[in-house]
Amino acid sequence: KAGVTQTPRYLIKTRGQQVTLSCSPISGHRSVSWYQQTPGQGLQFLFEYFSETQRNKGNFPGRFSGRQFSNSRSEMNVSTLELGDSALYLCASSSTSGGGVYNEQFFGPGTRLTVL
Amino acid sequence: GDSVTQMEGPVTLSEEAFLTINCTYTATGYPSLFWYVQYPGEGLQLLLKATKADDKGSNKGFEATYRKETTSFHLEKGSVQVSDSAVYFCALSGSTGANSKLTFGKGITLSVRP
Repeated sequence: KAGVTQTPRYLIKTRGQQVTLSCSPISGHRSVSWYQQTPGQGLQFLFEYFSETQRNKGNFPGRFSGRQFSNSRSEMNVSTLELGDSALYLCASSSTSGGGVYNEQFFGPGTRLTVL
Repeated sequence: GDSVTQMEGPVTLSEEAFLTINCTYTATGYPSLFWYVQYPGEGLQLLLKATKADDKGSNKGFEATYRKETTSFHLEKGSVQVSDSAVYFCALSGSTGANSKLTFGKGITLSVRP
């Protein structure tokens, strides 16, 4: 079974631009979560989508948004980029949504975004 | 809110040394606990997990026991190898059905010398 794939792997943008990142979950997985990883803040939860609905959202400004398609693929968008948005963005897929033993998340390799 | 605290790093050990990485948590109810590992240039991989008090998760020689009385989930390995060099993250998942996010500790870098 193929793992979680993320595209592109690397991206360079300038301040003020917008960016769209893509995530394809493991086949059969319906939940996709996004995380931001930075040296200063560590790993922080952005949001989770399940069956095309946002189920959970972290504490990020409205510039960060996402969506999920009927095939469970997900995209996240960051508008009006700031220097502080430079980070590794990780996508994780799970077969279910919700806490407890079933919440095993499988991570993709990430997209490295650099904002200049 | 939920939080995870890991010991400060980095940690450097010689091959075959004993490893302990401390992790404590704050959460309501009965969260599930995880250790993830991140190798250079890769995403996170689940190393082990435990879902209730006194559960012991184990994988690839690593072990961690869910201690509710001390709210801890320390990672141990009896004999580390150079290939264990990576960043290790302790994480929790809330116990309520609506709480599907993972809350991570800061991570700790482990370097193992030959």
